[in-house]
Amino acid sequence: LAKTTQPISMDSYEGQEVNITCSHNNIATNDYITWYQQFPSQGPRFIIQGYKTKVTNEVASLFIPADRKSSTLSLPRVSLSDTAVYYCLVDPSGAGSYQLTFGKGTKLSVIP
Amino acid sequence: DGGITQSPKYLFRKEGQNVTLSCEQNLNHDAMYWYRQDPGQGLRLIYYSQIVNDFQKGDIAEGYSVSREKKESFPLTVTSAQKNPTAFYLCASGGFEQFFGPGTRLTVL
Repeated sequence: LAKTTQPISMDSYEGQEVNITCSHNNIATNDYITWYQQFPSQGPRFIIQGYKTKVTNEVASLFIPADRKSSTLSLPRVSLSDTAVYYCLVDPSGAGSYQLTFGKGTKLSVIP
Repeated sequence: DGGITQSPKYLFRKEGQNVTLSCEQNLNHDAMYWYRQDPGQGLRLIYYSQIVNDFQKGDIAEGYSVSREKKESFPLTVTSAQKNPTAFYLCASGGFEQFFGPGTRLTVL
């Protein structure tokens, strides 16, 4: 399974755009890139998934360059409630496997 | 409402005892999963099941057992063979998007 690397922590002020970058150098052809959000003492929640270029939903945008060796999760105008841990996963669901590997994630702290 | 339920939310056990954590889903998902999370760490896969009456070991299956007799249910037993069972246990179901339960925090006394 492809390994991901992302910053351990980030701080941001309310109202700012936050970009969290993840590297996945050995991503396979059939892998997707998926991001989850986790609040303390809760289960993770799916945010967004993409394969290439750009994906946008009501919560976030995901940018994936052509070589797919990295990806960037963009959270527009964060609020205090966005304080959480964000996990970048290389998701083999494109190959029919749903075994997910969660790293330590990025702990985002939003400051008033 | 559709979702995943886990019970109990908090569980205490004495060393040497087996304990079973419950996980139920009404999302009609074929696949279900058990993860373990230690403080400040990511999630590690214990067991997963892609269909009733079938399950596979994940990365840290030693000291755990599961059953999948019904589509809706995937209980996890933490046996006395698990050397360090104190952790936060999360159950999930789904495919490319996994839906997680609220978790069970197990403490061994």
